[in-house]
Formats: sequence, C-alpha cells, structure tokens
Amino acid sequence: AQTVTQSQPEMSVQEAETVTLSCTYDTSESDYYLFWYKQPPSRQMILVIRQEAYKQQNATENRFSVNFQKAAKSFSLKISDSQLGDAAMYFCAYKGTNAGKSTFGDGTTLTVKP
Amino acid sequence: GAGVSQTPSNKVTEKGKYVELRCDPISGHTALYWYRQSLGQGPEFLIYFQGTGAADDSGLPNDRFFAVRPEGSVSTLKIQRTERGDSAVYLCASSSDYSDTQYFGPGTRLTVL
Repeated sequence: AQTVTQSQPEMSVQEAETVTLSCTYDTSESDYYLFWYKQPPSRQMILVIRQEAYKQQNATENRFSVNFQKAAKSFSLKISDSQLGDAAMYFCAYKGTNAGKSTFGDGTTLTVKP
Repeated sequence: GAGVSQTPSNKVTEKGKYVELRCDPISGHTALYWYRQSLGQGPEFLIYFQGTGAADDSGLPNDRFFAVRPEGSVSTLKIQRTERGDSAVYLCASSSDYSDTQYFGPGTRLTVL
C-alpha cells in the first residue's frame, strides 16, 4: 500500500521569504501522480500543484514549485515570496495512474508572519 | 462554473441515529470520491464512483457506511447507527475521469453526541 509522510507538522515563514515543505512517499508503482493541496480554515481543499511521475521537469505554478526526486521518493513544495494568504494547512497526496483514490499525508500547518 | 457542493455544511446528531450527507459534483464529472478527515489528519479514502457504480469501496470502515449515486451525478453517503467515533469532516471530490485531478467540496462536519 502507498504511504505519504509529511515530517513537519508545523512550519513558519516571514512574509516575502521562501519556505519549503517536505513530503516523502512509498510506492512500488513506476507511474503515478503527486499533488500538493492547500486547506485554509474554511475546509475547502484547493489544488496548488500537480506532478506527473513520468515527467522529469519539476512543476511550477507562479510562486509555487516542487522539487521532485523520483529515486528518493521525495516531493517537496517551495513557496516563494510568501504572502499572508498562504497561511493554511498543506497536504501532500499520491495517486496511482490506475487508481481512483488519493492517499494523503497528515499535513503541515504553515504560519506566515507579517 | 460551479464547484463541488456538499450539504449540510454541519450536522449534529445523537449516537445511534441515521444520517445522510449529500454531494453535488462538478457538472459532467464522471468520477466522484468520498473521504473522511479526522481532526489533525489528512483525508482518508472511503469510496469512489465511476458513473453510477462503486468502483472501489475498500475504504468504508464497516457495514454501517453506505453510499449511492443512482443517476451518476449527485451522491449520498449514508451512515447508520452513528457512533461518536464517526465524528469528522466528510469531504467529497469529483474529477472528469478517474485519472484526472480531484476537485474538492467544502465538506460536511459531522458531530455525533
């Protein structure tokens, strides 16, 4: 079974600075998808970024980028120029290409200090 | 267009009662998923529908939990004889097909007293 581990329960960053959230996963599959979701107090899970395992190029969405290391099964999220609105719980998720369900980590709470 | 919607937003019930939670997916999305999120944890998979049929129900914790999607659109998660341990946020997501990105609703917070 696939597992996803987020080893940082809480992280803090100064506004306008850069922060990196860690995620590791375990799988025997060679092709899969990885996601980062943001969950503010409103509970709505919002997709931040998606990475397809067969693509070597790291995904980027504006201030958000990932460092995908397939051999190490690592998928970290870098947030540049942090903004107050980035404060939320961030979840890393794994999804097999032939599976419907996603497997989530337990999340990292990000605080942004003004 | 409209996103995934879930009703009710909050539900408080007493131990032993029956509850129904509703999910309205994004129009045209054939795949629909239910997850349960306990406090301080990530979402945990319950069941996934492709069209009207349950393609994977391996996450349902026991036979008190049941879900339907009779017309391939709206889905209802049904919990019988609720227990205090069922208290959680129940999240619904949909995607255009099983391989695509899942888009989540705002969830239903269920509290069993």
